[in-house]
Amino acid sequence: KAGVTQTPRYLIKTRGQQVTLSCSPISGHRSVSWYQQTPGQGLQFLFEYFSETQRNKGNFPGRFSGRQFSNSRSEMNVSTLELGDSALYLCASSLVLATGYPNVLTFGAGSRLTVL
Amino acid sequence: DQQVKQNSPSLSVQEGRISILNCDYTNSMFDYFLWYKKYPAEGPTFLISISSIKDKNEDGRFTVFLNKSAKHLSLHIVPSQPGDSAVYFCAAGGFSSGSARQLTFGSGTQLTVLP
Repeated sequence: KAGVTQTPRYLIKTRGQQVTLSCSPISGHRSVSWYQQTPGQGLQFLFEYFSETQRNKGNFPGRFSGRQFSNSRSEMNVSTLELGDSALYLCASSLVLATGYPNVLTFGAGSRLTVL
Repeated sequence: DQQVKQNSPSLSVQEGRISILNCDYTNSMFDYFLWYKKYPAEGPTFLISISSIKDKNEDGRFTVFLNKSAKHLSLHIVPSQPGDSAVYFCAAGGFSSGSARQLTFGSGTQLTVLP
């Protein structure tokens, strides 16, 4: 089956602009998470959505926001871009199973954002 | 404050030998641990996991060991192959606290397997 699809794969923006990234999860996966990857920092959790509701949020400023649609597709938005926002933004989807069963995140290839 | 630490940014190993990647954590609420592998221009792919009720989990050439008292886990790859060359991320989640999908990742270790 198709994996997690992220668009666009690459984009360049200038400081002060905003950007919207899109993520289509694996069919049947209702949980979508977003992570930011920067060199030397690993993956930093941004937020997680399930059934169109944000359930968890990481330690990022309010310029970072997201949403999930009824078909589980998700978007994240970064407003007033700063140079430090240059990163690889990864989306991951997972099944939501009965309590007691751990889930595994399946990641997309990411959207590489460069802020000039 | 990094709750999951991978202190070795890089590791080089000869083909056929054992690769050992290490990871330390500080949050005692973590009860589920995973390793992901990442190739350039691709997203991380799940490799192996272990829950805190176990101290070892094996899958083919990959074995993860968990030492809860030391808050340390390691990934062993035996034998190492050139195709294993990638960045390996350790990740942890607090499943029992409901944050299994809010994983905390280490900064990664670049493994290079030399032919």
